[in-house]
Amino acid sequence: EAGVAQSPRYKIIEKRQSVAFWCNPISGHATLYWYQQILGQGPKLLIQFQNNGVVDDSQLPKDRFSAERLKGVDSTLKIQPAKLEDSAVYLCASSTRWGSGGTQETQYFGPGTRLLVL
Amino acid sequence: GENVEQHPSTLSVQEGDSAVIKCTYSDSASNYFPWYKQELGKGPQLIIDIRSNVGEKKDQRIAVTLNKTAKHFSLHITETQPEDSAVYFCAASIGYGGSQGNLIFGKGTKLSVKP
Repeated sequence: EAGVAQSPRYKIIEKRQSVAFWCNPISGHATLYWYQQILGQGPKLLIQFQNNGVVDDSQLPKDRFSAERLKGVDSTLKIQPAKLEDSAVYLCASSTRWGSGGTQETQYFGPGTRLLVL
Repeated sequence: GENVEQHPSTLSVQEGDSAVIKCTYSDSASNYFPWYKQELGKGPQLIIDIRSNVGEKKDQRIAVTLNKTAKHFSLHITETQPEDSAVYFCAASIGYGGSQGNLIFGKGTKLSVKP
């Protein structure tokens, strides 16, 4: 079974530029997550999709971050404009489903995109 | 808000020794507690998880214990091997509200196993 795919693996940009990350989840996984992992910290959830609908975006800095999941499969995360503090690893994860009452299924993570903002 | 604290931040053991990593959580409604291993340049990989209706779970050299009363859970690795060297993260599910079921991660423990 193929894992979660992400691209690019590395990205270096200057502040105020824009950047986009792409994620392809495991086939058949309805739920997709984007996390931000700052060096030396654990992953922090940015946004969660169930199929192509947003379930939780409470921690997404909506003034500069946006995400979409067209057709309920691939997803893109965009930052515009980038700030120095956005330097981090952006992880995509997927799971089979997110059930009512907060039933939690195993999340499978991709390798991440390492972003450096200069 | 919900919080997960993880200790120690670094742990160094000799090959063959045991390693223990401890986490505490603040949300009494949390009911799912996974542990992830992250190797350099890779994404986190689930190694074991436990749900609130179970006090202990074991998978070969890895075990997790949960004390819901004290809001503690721990990862135990026995007979450590150099390939166990990595950063380990604990997480707890959010128990209520719009983010129910989503995970709060600890800050990680860097485990080094010396041959």
